[in-house]
Amino acid sequence: NAGVTQTPKFRVLKTGQSMTLLCAQDMNHEYMYWYRQDPGMGLRLIHYSVGEGTTAKGEVPDGYNVSRLKKQNFLLGLESAAPSQTSVYFCASNRGTSGTNEQFFGPGTRLTVL
Amino acid sequence: DAKTTQPTSMDCAEGRAANLPCNHSTISGNEYVYWYRQIHSQGPQYIIHGLKNNETNEMASLIITEDRKSSTLILPHATLRDTAVYYCIVRVAETSGSRLTFGEGTQLTVNP
Repeated sequence: NAGVTQTPKFRVLKTGQSMTLLCAQDMNHEYMYWYRQDPGMGLRLIHYSVGEGTTAKGEVPDGYNVSRLKKQNFLLGLESAAPSQTSVYFCASNRGTSGTNEQFFGPGTRLTVL
Repeated sequence: DAKTTQPTSMDCAEGRAANLPCNHSTISGNEYVYWYRQIHSQGPQYIIHGLKNNETNEMASLIITEDRKSSTLILPHATLRDTAVYYCIVRVAETSGSRLTFGEGTQLTVNP
């Protein structure tokens, strides 16, 4: 199993450009998440999904949109990128049912907005 | 979810035990203590979790005080590869969305 994968690994955007980050998981997990991590800080939740076709806002949702059209994929979109969105973006997934509920994280996407 | 307090940084000699403390004095009865770590530039990795009993797995041990207001993560024989930021997180296991609230964690440096 590949676990959680993210595409792309690195990206540089100009202010105002748009892009989509792709997260894929092959563990048949129900729940998926997008976090951002700024230098020297912990992760902050942007959006999450508790199942195919559902999405919900996290702590810092402004400036981002998400879609979960297929269970295995969770897309994060930036419609008009701003320098404040320069960050490392991590995707995660878990079963979402009772029990351990440990989250499995992807390797991250490093985004720079000039 | 309850707030946690961890030291900003700690050092440990290679081969020795690393003991990472966490205070969570406002923890509720149905909240678990989770530990994750993040090795530089990588995604966080789950280590261990517990409710009130001490727990051990292949990576670490978790000691939770009887009043549950604090806990200690123990890496029994630290290696250079254990250098990472360690996050202590308190949360209800079945909270809607299963969200994790990351603080700033403890930077553990294992020295040769």
